[in-house]
Amino acid sequence: DVKVTQSSRYLVKRTGEKVFLECVQDMDHENMFWYRQDPGLGLRLIYFSYDVKMKEKGDIPEGYSVSREKKERFSLILESASTNQTSMYLCATHGRWVAFFGQGTRLTVV
Amino acid sequence: AQTVTQSQPEMSVQEAETVTLSCTYDTSESDYYLFWYKQPPSRQMILVIRQEAYKQQNATENRFSVNFQKAAKSFSLKISDSQLGDAAMYFCAYRSALRGVSEDMRFGAGTRLTVKP
Repeated sequence: DVKVTQSSRYLVKRTGEKVFLECVQDMDHENMFWYRQDPGLGLRLIYFSYDVKMKEKGDIPEGYSVSREKKERFSLILESASTNQTSMYLCATHGRWVAFFGQGTRLTVV
Repeated sequence: AQTVTQSQPEMSVQEAETVTLSCTYDTSESDYYLFWYKQPPSRQMILVIRQEAYKQQNATENRFSVNFQKAAKSFSLKISDSQLGDAAMYFCAYRSALRGVSEDMRFGAGTRLTVKP
C-alpha cells in the first residue's frame, strides 16, 4: 500500500517562528510537490522537486523554501511564519496516472 | 498557464439520486490528462477518475463517469446512485503530458458535495 506521510496533522505556531513541514513517500518517486489548500482557491503549488537536491518554484513560493536531501523526503520551510500562512498544506507525489497525497497538515499561525 | 474552473462551490443530492459536477479548463495544449479527486472530511485526497485527452471515449469507474468535451474544454463528473459516503470536496485537476510525471497539477477551487439521506 503506497504511502505519503506528513509529519503532523495539526500545528500551531507563533508569528516569526521558523516552521518545518516534513513529508516522506515510500514509492521511490523522483518527483514530490507541496501544495497549499485554501477555501475557494483550491490547491496551489508552492514548490516541487523532480530529483534529489533539485527544486523549482511553483505559483506561490514567497515566504517558503524547501529541502530535498533524500529521495523519499521533501521538507517545506516557513522561514518566518506569518498569519497569512495559516492554511492546509498537502504533500504529493505523482505516479504515471495518479497523484498520491499525504493526509495534510493544518497549520495555524497566531 | 492552464486554469481550471469549477463554478459550483456547493452541490447537494438526495441519496440514490444522480448529480453532475461541472469543470471547465483552459489550455493551448493538445495532450494532457484530466482528473477528479475526492477529499472526504479530515481524510486524504484520493483519485476518483481520470481521462486522457487523446481518448474520445468517456471514462467510467463504477458509479462515476465523466462527460469529456475536448473542443468545449469541459470535463464534468456524474455520480449515479449517490451514497452517503460520496459526501466530500471534489476537485477537478489538469496535468500537462509534456514532462510526464514531473508536471505539476492545476486544480479547480473545488465543489463541496452534500448527500442527504
